[in-house]
Amino acid sequence: DIQMTQSPASLSASLEEIVTITCQASQDIGNWLAWYQQKPGKSPQLLIYGATSLADGVPSRFSGSRSGTQYSLKISRLQVEDIGIYYCLQAYSAPWTFGGGTKLELK
Amino acid sequence: EVQLVESGGGLVQPGRSMKLSCAASGFTFSNYGMAWVRQAPTKGLEWVATISYDGSSTYYRDSVKGRFTISRDNAKSTLYLQMNSLRSEDTATYYCTRIEQLSHYYVMDAWGQGASVTVSS
Repeated sequence: DIQMTQSPASLSASLEEIVTITCQASQDIGNWLAWYQQKPGKSPQLLIYGATSLADGVPSRFSGSRSGTQYSLKISRLQVEDIGIYYCLQAYSAPWTFGGGTKLELK
Repeated sequence: EVQLVESGGGLVQPGRSMKLSCAASGFTFSNYGMAWVRQAPTKGLEWVATISYDGSSTYYRDSVKGRFTISRDNAKSTLYLQMNSLRSEDTATYYCTRIEQLSHYYVMDAWGQGASVTVSS
C-alpha cells in the first residue's frame, strides 16, 4: 500500500497568515493527489485535485503544488472559515490512502 | 444539486450484519463510480470500497474483504454497503462518495452527510 505521511499533525496560525501543509508519498503517485477540508461536524469537501487544480467554488487563496513525491497545500491568507482538518488522498493505486490529517486552529 | 443521503446506520452487536444505503440525486447516478469512506470516532479518513459505474468492478480494503459487499441499483440511484461479521473496529461514520474524473484524475468530489455505525455488545 502507498503510505501518505502528512505534516504537521496540528497547526496554530493567525488570521491572514500563510499556512502550508505537506504530504509525502511513499512512492511515485504522479499528480494523483487530492486535498480535502473537513470542518467540525461536517463531511469532507474537495479543495484540490490533480495535485494543483482548484476544485469548483474553492477560494483562490488555496493552492496545491508538487515537488517529486512531496505535495503541499498552501493557504495564502488564513481566514476564520478555513479552520478544520485537512487531508491528502492518493488515488494513484488501490487501496486509496489518506494522510493522517492536519488540524488547523486559530492562534 | 448533487445529493447523497445515507441511511441504515445504528447500533449492532459484534458478529452481526448491517446494510447501509445511499440515495443519490441531482446527477446521472449510472454514469459514476461510487465509494464508501469511513471515519472512526476522532480518527482520520479511511477508504473502504469502490464500485464502477455499472457495478461490474468492485474493490475493497483488505480489512473488510470477505465481510463487506458494495453494490448498486442504478434503476433506483442507490448505493449499498452490506456489512457482515461486524467487529468493534468497524465502528465509524460511513460516508457515501461520488467518484468524478476531473482532467483525467479520479477524485471523490461529493460526499454524503454520513451514517454512524456502532459495533458493541
